[in-house]
Amino acid sequence: KQEVTQIPAALSVPEGENLVLNCSFTDSAIYNLQWFRQDPGKGLTSLLLIQSSQREQTSGRLNASLDKSSGRSTLYIAASQPGDSATYLCAVPANAGGTSYGKLTFGQGTILTVHP
Amino acid sequence: DTAVSQTPKYLVTQMGNDKSIKCEQNLGHDTMYWYKQDSKKFLKIMFSYNNKELIINETVPNRFSPKSPDKAHLNLHINSLELGDSAVYFCASSQVVSGEAFFGQGTRLTVV
Repeated sequence: KQEVTQIPAALSVPEGENLVLNCSFTDSAIYNLQWFRQDPGKGLTSLLLIQSSQREQTSGRLNASLDKSSGRSTLYIAASQPGDSATYLCAVPANAGGTSYGKLTFGQGTILTVHP
Repeated sequence: DTAVSQTPKYLVTQMGNDKSIKCEQNLGHDTMYWYKQDSKKFLKIMFSYNNKELIINETVPNRFSPKSPDKAHLNLHINSLELGDSAVYFCASSQVVSGEAFFGQGTRLTVV
């Protein structure tokens, strides 16, 4: 059974800092890994999707890396801004390889606060 | 133009009632899901439909019945609502090959 863990549970940083959020998963036979952002009272916004064949994926100030063999992914946020404050979730498909049907197993999330 | 939309956004109802939540996606995806986010913010899958066919049914009480009239719609009907059903219910969709999932804004269900 796939289990996903995110560390830290909460993070508070001053504006402008670079930061790293961590995600680990127990079954390394994943099809892809997805990072989401959730603002309070809102839905999930997809940030980055990394395929199992990729090592990293970038979108603006966000960079996500994937190390399947060690069961880890990191989300790097450069030059953080107050608008980055949200809960960040990573998720992996429960089934390995091929077409996964997209059933996602989520971590508990990291609550990020960026203060001015 | 919202990619995945759910209605209603908020639902407050009494124990024992029956209610439905509707979801529509305009992304052309062939797979849709219902997820439940509990009070501790943990997200867990409930159901998944692929091309209108139920493919995942995770240990959910049979008071919950999903229905997919077509690939773009997935509804969730809940009978005999209980206090413990209070949660935020999210609809999502993905194209199986890519697997990237897109979520709706959620329906906050409160049972009183």
